[in-house]
Amino acid sequence: DAGVTQSPTHLIKTRGQQVTLRCSPKSGHDTVSWYQQALGQGPQFIFQYYEEEERQRGNFPDRFSGHQFPNYSSELNVNALLLGDSALYLCASSSGTGAGVSEQFFGPGTRLTVL
Amino acid sequence: AQSVTQLGSHVSVSEGALVLLRCNYSSSVPPYLFWYVQYPNQGLQLLLKYTSAATLVKGINGFEAEFKKSETSFHLTKPSAHMSDAAEYFCAVSVSAGGTSYGKLTFGQGTILTVHP
Repeated sequence: DAGVTQSPTHLIKTRGQQVTLRCSPKSGHDTVSWYQQALGQGPQFIFQYYEEEERQRGNFPDRFSGHQFPNYSSELNVNALLLGDSALYLCASSSGTGAGVSEQFFGPGTRLTVL
Repeated sequence: AQSVTQLGSHVSVSEGALVLLRCNYSSSVPPYLFWYVQYPNQGLQLLLKYTSAATLVKGINGFEAEFKKSETSFHLTKPSAHMSDAAEYFCAVSVSAGGTSYGKLTFGQGTILTVHP
């Protein structure tokens, strides 16, 4: 089991550009959540996708958008990049059905630097 | 809305000493609580979780945490620190909705644990 994978590992962009980050969930998982972790901070929830729909969203502007594909993989898109978007972007997968706590498994993250 | 406060951004202990990392939460509904560890340039790994069963929760690598509702706390402890425990630790809260947590996690700011030989 490969676990949660993310690509690319590192990315450098300039202000105003657009970026797409990718995530493949752990085998058997159907839910993908995205988090932004700024340097020295805890991760902050961006949004969660289940059954190809955005199920929950955190306090992030519309410049942040996402997509989930039929194979449960997901993309995070950020438009009009700002310097403040520089962060580690973490993807987490879980099982979206059933009762109880759904443990989230995190990928290694994509380090985005905006110059 | 829920929130998490981790007291102490840096904690330093000697190898073999007790590790105590503090976490207080705020939630208007019964919470689920988690501790994650993050090693440099890596993602988060779950250490343990509280899901309204036993208040004393045992996790991996010898860590445990006790849920104290009256104190709204969920402190992480380990009786004897090892050099390999040096990492950043995050406390997180999630809330349930009708018995199911969709898993949105709210994290604290993190505590960096340093272990001295």
